Amino acid sequence: EAGVAQSPRYKIIEKRQSVAFWCNPISGHATLYWYQQILGQGPKLLIQFQNNGVVDDSQLPKDRFSAERLKGVDSTLKIQPAKLEDSAVYLCASSLVRGQGLGKLFFGSGTQLSVL
Amino acid sequence: EDKVVQSPLSLVVHEGDTVTLNCSYEVTNFRSLLWYKQEKKAPTFLFMLTSSGIEKKSGRLSSILDKKELFSILNITATQTGDSAIYLCAVTETSGSRLTFGEGTQLTVNP
Repeated sequence: EAGVAQSPRYKIIEKRQSVAFWCNPISGHATLYWYQQILGQGPKLLIQFQNNGVVDDSQLPKDRFSAERLKGVDSTLKIQPAKLEDSAVYLCASSLVRGQGLGKLFFGSGTQLSVL
Repeated sequence: EDKVVQSPLSLVVHEGDTVTLNCSYEVTNFRSLLWYKQEKKAPTFLFMLTSSGIEKKSGRLSSILDKKELFSILNITATQTGDSAIYLCAVTETSGSRLTFGEGTQLTVNP
């Protein structure tokens, strides 16, 4: 079974530039999550999709971050404009059904973003 | 707001040692507690606990939950260098499937 695919693996940009990350979840997984993990911290949820609808975006900085999941499969997370404090690993995860498995998520390898 | 606190934040041991990692939590409507192992970037699932006092085991790893005292421990016996990783604890609420993570414990196992 293919895992969660993310790209790019690494990205270096200057502050005020824009950047986009892509995620392809495990086939058949209805729920998709984007997490931000700053060095030395645990992952923090940015946004959760159920199919192509947003379930939870309460911790997404909406003035600069946006995400979409067209057709309920792939997802894109965008930052515009980037700030220094956005330097982090951005993890995408998916799960089979919302609430099913009580939190058993499958994570991708992440995108490491450095903002200079 | 849900809160998860892990200790210690880092730990260095020698191969063959036994380690105990701690996780305490505060959550309004607790549903489950999960342990993940993070090597490089992708966290991988280890255990999910929902009931108090029931130990989950997988090889040299085991975990138990105490819902009264609001904590969990992860034990690793006969540690190996391949156990070196960050171990993350997370909780979920009954209202959804969001995982709230602790800061993690960085475990280093030296040969």
